[in-house]
Amino acid sequence: DIQMTQSPSTLSAFVGDRVSITCRATQSVNGWLAWYQQKPGKAPKLLIYKVSTLESGVPSRFSGTGSETDFALTISSLQPDDSATYYCQQYNSYPLTFGGGTKVEIK
Amino acid sequence: EVQLVESGGDLVQPGGSLRLSCTASGFTFSTSLMHWVRQVPGQGLMWVSRINAGGTTIIYADSVKGRFSVSRDNAKNTMYLHMYSLTTDDTAVYYCAKDRGGDLIGLWGQGTMVTVSS
Repeated sequence: DIQMTQSPSTLSAFVGDRVSITCRATQSVNGWLAWYQQKPGKAPKLLIYKVSTLESGVPSRFSGTGSETDFALTISSLQPDDSATYYCQQYNSYPLTFGGGTKVEIK
Repeated sequence: EVQLVESGGDLVQPGGSLRLSCTASGFTFSTSLMHWVRQVPGQGLMWVSRINAGGTTIIYADSVKGRFSVSRDNAKNTMYLHMYSLTTDDTAVYYCAKDRGGDLIGLWGQGTMVTVSS
């Protein structure tokens, strides 16, 4: 199984800050890496897939980078609506696996 | 509107059984690969199972293999998760989700809560 590790587990920043979340896989996921946003009491929402492709309707302040085993989600200018937990996920092989999540808080 | 609605979540005793349903609307369910994913409240996401469009190929996470069974009725636009021999570790919100293609989970239902407790 491919294990996914995210860091940090919690991130606190000001509105307008640039923030990044990292995600590391235990083996190459061949670019099949997605990011989801989850707000309290809600289902996850797909933000980015195939490392860097933005899902339709997702603000352009979100971006994804990386390759092989190391990936990052960056929010270029943090907004109040971005307060949520973010998960990376590999869909290269089964079982599909998620990172442990990063909770983003607004100071 | 593309929508997935889960139902059937309940309080069940350890060792018990439960069947969850996921009803789809707004898209062609019969050609869609579907997933179940669960989340212990306050914790992360865990993929549970995937069923192909025809219901002939199903993959399970090791932790549920032999205890959970997934099926679908394309005429009713509904997928099912049959859960047996439930333990307290199965307590979670269960989400059904639609595959976007290439095993990418694109759309999630709102989830249904399963509580296993005596």
